Amino acid sequence: DGGITQSPKYLFRKEGQNVTLSCEQNLNHDAMYWYRQDPGQGLRLIYYSQIVNDFQKGDIAEGYSVSREKKESFPLTVTSAQKNPTAFYLCASDDGRRDRTNGYTFGSGTRLTVV
Amino acid sequence: AQSVTQLGSHVSVSEGALVLLRCNYSSSVPPYLFWYVQYPNQGLQLLLKYTTGATLVKGINGFEAEFKKSETSFHLTKPSAHMSDAAEYFCAVSGLSSGGYNKLIFGAGTRLAVHP
Repeated sequence: DGGITQSPKYLFRKEGQNVTLSCEQNLNHDAMYWYRQDPGQGLRLIYYSQIVNDFQKGDIAEGYSVSREKKESFPLTVTSAQKNPTAFYLCASDDGRRDRTNGYTFGSGTRLTVV
Repeated sequence: AQSVTQLGSHVSVSEGALVLLRCNYSSSVPPYLFWYVQYPNQGLQLLLKYTTGATLVKGINGFEAEFKKSETSFHLTKPSAHMSDAAEYFCAVSGLSSGGYNKLIFGAGTRLAVHP
C-alpha cells in the first residue's frame, strides 16, 4: 500500500546534538511538508518542498534544516540551534496540484524528546 | 489569502449524543475544505472533503459536514457519538489562487471527549 513512513517513532536527543528525522513516501507525490505539533498549538509549518532539489521555509524554520535529493525522501534535521525541540513532528505529502483538492497524506509522526 | 477558525478547543459529549464541531473559514477564492482526525500519537487522517458539487459531504466513521457559503462555515457533525470518536479534529482550507503555491491552512484543532 502507498503511504508515508516516518522513522523513528520515538527519538531522544541530548542537548547540543543534531538529530535527523526520516520521511519516505511511495505515493509518487511531488510536494512534501514538515510540521511541528505542540499541545494546544495545532500544526506549525517548518519547511516544505514542491519539487526535488527545491524547498522553502515555513513559519518556524529557525533551528531546522531539510534536503530533497530524491522525490521519495524529505529528511528533517533538528539542529542544536533549535532551543526547544521537544515536540511531535509530522511529515505530509500531496500530489502537487495547485488547488490541493486531494488534501495531504500524513505520516504517523515522530516524537522527539530532549533529555 | 485563506484562514480557518475552529470554535471551541475542547468539546465534550455523552456517548450517543450529537457531535457538532464548528469550523469557519475565510477565503478570497472558492474554497476547498477538509476535516482531518488525529488519534493520540498518530498522524492526521482525512475524514472528508468538499471541493465542488453537493454541499453536504459524507465521510468515514459516520461523520458528515455541510458547506454553507453564506455563513462561511463547514461544521462537522455525527448523529451519535461513540467512545472511539474521542480524538482531535482539524479543519483545513485550500483553494486555487493566481500565482504562487497554495498550501492547506489548518485550524488550531478541537479535542473531542466522549464520556459514558
